Amino acid sequence: KAGVTQTPRYLIKTRGQQVTLSCSPISGHRSVSWYQQTPGQGLQFLFEYFSETQRNKGNFPGRFSGRQFSNSRSEMNVSTLELGDSALYLCASSHGALREGSPLHFGNGTRLTVT
Amino acid sequence: AQKVTQAQTEISVVEKEDVTLDCVYETRDTTYYLFWYKQPPSGELVFLIRRNSFDEQNEISGRYSWNFQKSTSSFNFTITASQVVDSAVYFCALSEATGNQFYFGTGTSLTVIP
Repeated sequence: KAGVTQTPRYLIKTRGQQVTLSCSPISGHRSVSWYQQTPGQGLQFLFEYFSETQRNKGNFPGRFSGRQFSNSRSEMNVSTLELGDSALYLCASSHGALREGSPLHFGNGTRLTVT
Repeated sequence: AQKVTQAQTEISVVEKEDVTLDCVYETRDTTYYLFWYKQPPSGELVFLIRRNSFDEQNEISGRYSWNFQKSTSSFNFTITASQVVDSAVYFCALSEATGNQFYFGTGTSLTVIP
């Protein structure tokens, strides 16, 4: 089975721009969740999508949004980029929802640099 | 308050030594799940183990073992006879049956010196 695929691997953007990150989950997995990893804040939950519905969102501003398609692929969008958005963005998929305790399987991440 | 606390930021051990990584969690749920993940220098988080709140049996997998104690809200991870390939950042994590989030600890960076 193919693992979780995230594209692109690296992105460089300037402040004020917007960016879209993509995640293809493991086949058969219905939950996709996103995380931001920074040296200062560690790994923080962004949101979870399950069957195309956003289940919950972490403590992030409205500039961070996402969606999930019928094939479970997910995209994350960040608008009006700020320097502090520079981070490794990780996508994870799981067979069941987070509340079911399904183990997460992570992609390699997208390294976003905002200049 | 932190849901998951990993008090050890960095640990260095010499190869073949045993090492224990501590994890303390906080939850009011009766049903919850605890996890350990490994993040090697390549960056990808690798799932190691999941325990649910109703199963306090300790688990051993090769050189890895986990000690789950509800009485102290701890879920510690021991690597026996450490190897250089064990060098990575290890994260403890929690999800709750009534919640829709996934909480990670701040991670423990383990360096195994040859």
